[in-house]
Amino acid sequence: DTGVSQNPRHKITKRGQNVTFRCDPISEHNRLYWYRQTLGQGPEFLTYFQNEAQLEKSRLLSDRFSAERPKGSFSTLEIQRTEQGDSAMYLCATEGGGWSYEQYFGPGTRLTVT
Amino acid sequence: AQSVTQLGSHVSVSEGALVLLRCNYSSSVPPYLFWYVQYPNQGLQLLLKYTSAATLVKGINGFEAEFKKSETSFHLTKPSAHMSDAAEYFCAVSDTGANSKLTFGKGITLSVRP
Repeated sequence: DTGVSQNPRHKITKRGQNVTFRCDPISEHNRLYWYRQTLGQGPEFLTYFQNEAQLEKSRLLSDRFSAERPKGSFSTLEIQRTEQGDSAMYLCATEGGGWSYEQYFGPGTRLTVT
Repeated sequence: AQSVTQLGSHVSVSEGALVLLRCNYSSSVPPYLFWYVQYPNQGLQLLLKYTSAATLVKGINGFEAEFKKSETSFHLTKPSAHMSDAAEYFCAVSDTGANSKLTFGKGITLSVRP
């Protein structure tokens, strides 16, 4: 257990529905990242927060995706009008202040779109 | 742009044998390099990192890796494999700025035969 929690762990939804995932970081970790991992691939960067500010978004993050980190604490990732191609593992990682360059990953949320 | 190449998707070794997992990177700036391990249904765990200090880096569980700039490589080794080492291993590279997002390779599945 890295101290990063994600909920839910699994989500099955029908195409066209909206889903929201939550990530609770290690306390006082000011940097938070979202990644997406599909079968047989390494994780791919989606977006990055420093405190509450979303500082970078990958071009993988279409306009159906939105992420927030209110007050620099937990973060949510929402996918609107889900598509079958959204089926993947969504991983959250957090990193403390300073320059440790050590990201701690949560267990992930596995999304299946039917 | 940065990239990581992990040749082969699967490596099988006997218990007690040397483990060698290869990683080559491409980066326009001096990189920071990482190896992560992922056990089934779990998030990623950092094994070791190179952040421009010693080129031979020791990590957890007896793993080590050597940064070779001339070969743009960061291969992971362990002298003697244990059954518990069976997992998926990812090599990753990051920027050295404030946003240390990771770019991962496709990963290598390590099997350990009794």
